[in-house]
Amino acid sequence: AQKVTQAQTEISVVEKEDVTLDCVYETRDTTYYLFWYKQPPSGELVFLIRRNSFDEQNEISGRYSWNFQKSTSSFNFTITASQVVDSAVYFCALSEGRNAGNMLTFGGGTRLMVKP
Amino acid sequence: EPEVTQTPSHQVTQMGQEVILRCVPISNHLYFYWYRQILGQKVEFLVSFYNNEISEKSEIFDDQFSVERPDGSNFTLKIRSTKLEDSAMYFCASVSSTDTQYFGPGTRLTVL
Repeated sequence: AQKVTQAQTEISVVEKEDVTLDCVYETRDTTYYLFWYKQPPSGELVFLIRRNSFDEQNEISGRYSWNFQKSTSSFNFTITASQVVDSAVYFCALSEGRNAGNMLTFGGGTRLMVKP
Repeated sequence: EPEVTQTPSHQVTQMGQEVILRCVPISNHLYFYWYRQILGQKVEFLVSFYNNEISEKSEIFDDQFSVERPDGSNFTLKIRSTKLEDSAMYFCASVSSTDTQYFGPGTRLTVL
């Protein structure tokens, strides 16, 4: 069965600090997709990134970067030079199988608070 | 940029009443989903829908729940007889050609 664990329930940082959100997943499939979504206080779920199990290249998008390590079943998310607008709940999610459109299993989320 | 839309944004109902939550997925998407998020908890999968039928459903999606795509654009979730524990945020999602699920803004359901 698939499972996603986000051990950090809440993180508080001061603006401009770097912060890493951890995500550990479990799956029996060799083909799967990993995602990060952001849920700001307004409540919607905003897609940030998708990664398939065959692509372990790390990715950088502006202040965001993602570190995918199959050896440790982790898909961690780093925000550099955090800003107050980054304050949100961040969810890591997994879908098994070849089709990334399969159901998503979400982690419990990490609430990030960035203080000015 | 196309978006998934959901109505209403907030629905308040009495226990035992039927509710219908509505979603308009992105127009060329083919897979549709409902998820729910009880306040302060994780997002949970309810059901997926493809080619006018349910393709997968979770244990949460019992006989009280049903989904429909009545007119080729709307995608609805019906709860026949709401319970207090159905109070949650309900998210609709649809899948793009790049296999990414895009979520609507959610409907907050409050059962009194």
